[in-house]
Amino acid sequence: EADIYQTPRYLVIGTGKKITLECSQTMGHDKMYWYQQDPGMELHLIHYSYGVNSTEKGDLSSESTVSRIRTEHFPLTLESARPSHTSQYLCASSENPGQGTYEQYFGPGTRLTVT
Amino acid sequence: AQSVSQHNHHVILSEAASLELGCNYSYGGTVNLFWYVQYPGQHLQLLLKYFSGDPLVKGIKGFEAEFIKSKFSFNLRKPSVQWSDTAEYFCAVRNRDDKIIFGKGTRLHILP
Repeated sequence: EADIYQTPRYLVIGTGKKITLECSQTMGHDKMYWYQQDPGMELHLIHYSYGVNSTEKGDLSSESTVSRIRTEHFPLTLESARPSHTSQYLCASSENPGQGTYEQYFGPGTRLTVT
Repeated sequence: AQSVSQHNHHVILSEAASLELGCNYSYGGTVNLFWYVQYPGQHLQLLLKYFSGDPLVKGIKGFEAEFIKSKFSFNLRKPSVQWSDTAEYFCAVRNRDDKIIFGKGTRLHILP
């Protein structure tokens, strides 16, 4: 059973608010990821991290930022939410090199609605 | 740009029917291939994966997939579906940059 958690599960917030989506994992994985997913669309990688103090932007441009101060924690922040940020945000982590399979483990997602 | 194409966005089948969901990818190098499944209200989870060796891989719940390198395909199959297979299925490929690229998903609906 994958142990990766996201909070909140659902969030409705007004335009201009600052929000932080939490993601944590207890598996000791170095690699963590944030994806954005709209209904009927593929998952788009927006941020990733290969370890503490490592963060990179993904393939889809995003106005969000991330931090990785601890291995287990990879929060995503939107400084000023807009309706265009309405989407589902999925956090994932993957096994460390040497553990072999590169499988990604996903959290339950945060469904964000910006009004 | 690398991409993953899933042929069917929405599939409706009756119980006991056979299933094949198509997946093609564009990356030409060494790939690792995955099928993920998301049951209603649940996390995305791994169904099966291909890394090397036998191109026919077996996953959980009676699913299998065949890697055909010459066709850049990794189709998912199940000989007899059940109502509990109703879910969304995502094909994905891990490329040399260690990123995983997902297809748009296929929503499978099984009629009881």
